[in-house]
This record gives sequence, C-alpha cells and structure tokens, in this order.
Amino acid sequence: NAGVMQNPRHLVRRRGQEARLRCSPMKGHSHVYWYRQLPEEGLKFMVYLQKENIIDESGMPKERFSAEFPKEGPSILRIQQVVRGDSAAYFCASSPRDRSYTFGSGTRLTVV
Amino acid sequence: GQQLNQSPQSMFIQEGEDVSMNCTSSSIFNTWLWYKQEPGEGPVLLIALYKAGELTSNGRLTAQFGITRKDSFLNISASIPSDVGIYFCAGQWDEKLTFGTGTRLTIIP
Repeated sequence: NAGVMQNPRHLVRRRGQEARLRCSPMKGHSHVYWYRQLPEEGLKFMVYLQKENIIDESGMPKERFSAEFPKEGPSILRIQQVVRGDSAAYFCASSPRDRSYTFGSGTRLTVV
Repeated sequence: GQQLNQSPQSMFIQEGEDVSMNCTSSSIFNTWLWYKQEPGEGPVLLIALYKAGELTSNGRLTAQFGITRKDSFLNISASIPSDVGIYFCAGQWDEKLTFGTGTRLTIIP
C-alpha cells in the first residue's frame, strides 16, 4: 500500500524556466492538497483539488502558479518562469473523504 | 497567510527528560493535529484531536485540545534519541491546515 508519491524529490531550475511537480495520491484517496514550506518555517496551504476540480486555491500566488488533478494520472503543480523566491519544499497530501491527511516526502525546488 | 504561534522554537534536552510544547491561535479550529518532520521528509501525523477539552495519548506522547479551541499542547515523556526532529502543530478548519512555526527538538547525549 504505497503512500503519497511525489516526484521528482529534487528539482533544479534556472530562473525563467518551468517547474512541474507531480503527486500521486494514495490508492482510494480522491482529495489532493499542495503545501509549500520555506526554510525554517511551517507548511503553508496552496491549493485543494478533487478529480478534475479545483476546490480552494486561496493560497496560490495569482500569477505563474497553477495546479490540476486530471481524471487519470497524478496531480501536477506547475510553476512558470520560476524566480529565486520559488525555491522551497513543496508537499502534496491526499485524503479520503474523512479529511485525514497523509503527506508525501516532498519535492525540493532550487532555482539558480 | 496566518500561522499559529508555537513555542518554544527549539529545545535542547537530555535523554530521558520530558518535553512540553504548545500552540496558540487567534482563531478557533475544529481539529488540532501534531506532526513530526525529519530532515528531507514530509510531516508524519502523531496525534489528532477532534473535540475541545480532549486529551489523547499515543505511547509516550500526550496532547490536549484547549477548551477555547484556540490552543493545544503536546507532551513527550522520557525522551529517546529517535524523538529528535521538528514538531509542528496544525489547526484544521474545513479542508485546510494552518501550521505552527515548529519546535526543533535536539537531544544532548
């Protein structure tokens, strides 16, 4: 019973490039959440998705960031034209309907 | 975005000592959660609290959901080396978690 799978674990991008982060939820989980963690800080909510629907994106920056959770395949967090301030750990979590989260191991994005 | 006030920021203790940390918020939550995070990994759930006043234990860990629904504490008894890590509280309202700033626990040999 695999947990929440995130890939890649580490991602290095040059300023201006695009970053794509993938998250495969646990089997049977239809809710996916993305959080961002800056060094020495707690996680901050970005977006909550169900299959083919964005439910709450109140934590997403207005520009350059987007997320999707298609009917088939993993959830994708996409960051266009990355800047140094986007360097962070991005965590995905999934849950069934009862809201009990399981977090993945994260993707550490470094923008150089 | 809002963050919870978590204290202390860091603790240096000897093996066998008890540990206590707490979280306060200006907002109420309907669930309080305590997580542990180790380097390079995601947070792992330790204890979940669902009712104001609830006191819950998980082995050497004990946590309480404050009566006002705006605070929670976590105690670890008889610490051992594998307790090292960063502990986060999180308040949940609907689907969203709001995390505390973390308590870094170091055990002095």
